[in-house]
Amino acid sequence: DARVTQTPRDKVTEMGQEVTMRCQPILGHNTVFWYRQTMMQGLELLAYFRNRAPLDDSGMPKDRFSAEMPDATLATLKIQPSEPRDSAVYFCASGPPAGETQYFGPGTRLLVL
Amino acid sequence: QKEVEQDPGPLSVPEGAIVSLNCTYSNSAFQYFMWYRQYSRKGPELLMYTYSSGNKEDGRFTAQVDKSSKYISLFIRDSQPSDSATYLCAMSDRKGDMRFGAGTRLTVKP
Repeated sequence: DARVTQTPRDKVTEMGQEVTMRCQPILGHNTVFWYRQTMMQGLELLAYFRNRAPLDDSGMPKDRFSAEMPDATLATLKIQPSEPRDSAVYFCASGPPAGETQYFGPGTRLLVL
Repeated sequence: QKEVEQDPGPLSVPEGAIVSLNCTYSNSAFQYFMWYRQYSRKGPELLMYTYSSGNKEDGRFTAQVDKSSKYISLFIRDSQPSDSATYLCAMSDRKGDMRFGAGTRLTVKP
């Protein structure tokens, strides 16, 4: 049963701390997406990669957020320094080479105090 | 105007009712249409995926796409309490650039 996995599932941290979220896409998928979901804004695309290359990170606050894919089995999203307004659920999704669908992980619920 | 419009609800129906969920869109480049179901504290789960105009049925679920009107629907027959969730429509173009609706929160009451 192929699934996208994300760690940690929950994270509570203090303002100013670094937060690193990890994602393992489904094997064979070559697109990876990072989303942020809040009640107010819904699902917002932060960044996406195809074949490990960043294609679009225009949705990401670049002064504090960074996204990377060190290899095909790992994607990371870092926030440094974190702020209370970053509190949200962060989802990773991966998609097959044909590119028309995405499969979501369970999310990382982040609370910045 | 958002590229994808979806009424956030909430929508409450009795068990056994037929549920109709809808989205409209403005970008004619969208070619692929999806419905995701999201339970509380879970990630969105792909429910239905369609490519062309017309209907696609899967059990109690029917997805309908009308490209000429830029309108998609999801019908749930014989709704069950376990169908209570948020339903998000999504659509993408040939490059895989995907947009989501805001999601409609559905409650099916026993």
